[in-house]
Amino acid sequence: GDSVTQMEGPVTLSEEAFLTINCTYTATGYPSLFWYVQYPGEGLQLLLKATKADDKGSNKGFEATYRKETTSFHLEKGSVQVSDSAVYFCALGDGNSGYALNFGKGTSLLVTP
Amino acid sequence: EAQVTQNPRYLITVTGKKLTVTCSQNMNHEYMSWYRQDPGLGLRQIYYSMNVEVTDKGDVPEGYKVSRKEKRNFPLILESPSPNQTSLYFCASSPDWVHVETQYFGPGTRLLVL
Repeated sequence: GDSVTQMEGPVTLSEEAFLTINCTYTATGYPSLFWYVQYPGEGLQLLLKATKADDKGSNKGFEATYRKETTSFHLEKGSVQVSDSAVYFCALGDGNSGYALNFGKGTSLLVTP
Repeated sequence: EAQVTQNPRYLITVTGKKLTVTCSQNMNHEYMSWYRQDPGLGLRQIYYSMNVEVTDKGDVPEGYKVSRKEKRNFPLILESPSPNQTSLYFCASSPDWVHVETQYFGPGTRLLVL
């Protein structure tokens, strides 16, 4: 079945460092790909999305490009801030799994001053 | 303010004692869903509802029940809770199933079953 695999955390970075969180997917069709963020004590929020190959999603300085050739959707940010500390989830959706999203296991990011 | 509310936020109970976690949304959304979040497993869908009186199983429905008698409410029922249902639960809603990625998530309910 469809699934996503993302790098395990926790990831600890200093403020202003470059961030990459890897995400790869397995799908039989042409899924849409998403990144969600979960701040401490809160529910998930959609961070960005891409609906077809070569699309780039971006929001709040984060970017991810839908790479069909490598089945990847890595999350990047050029300069992280302490306020970016959260858990990040990669997700896949194609309407073939109970209209649900398939989430990765999450990657915890801690940014230190 | 558009929101999804869940109650209670924290609950400690004992094995076999029936409980209900309520979920309500004020956005007139058609699609609602319940997830559980466990360390190392991410989010897994329990049940979803595409509209009133329409519900279906997600990936991990065993031990849970839901109902959708009105559009705004989607309670999660544990008839006989067991310790393996100790988890963090999230309710979510979206305008419809097509836009499921734009789900609004509730704040979560942390459940401990002793």
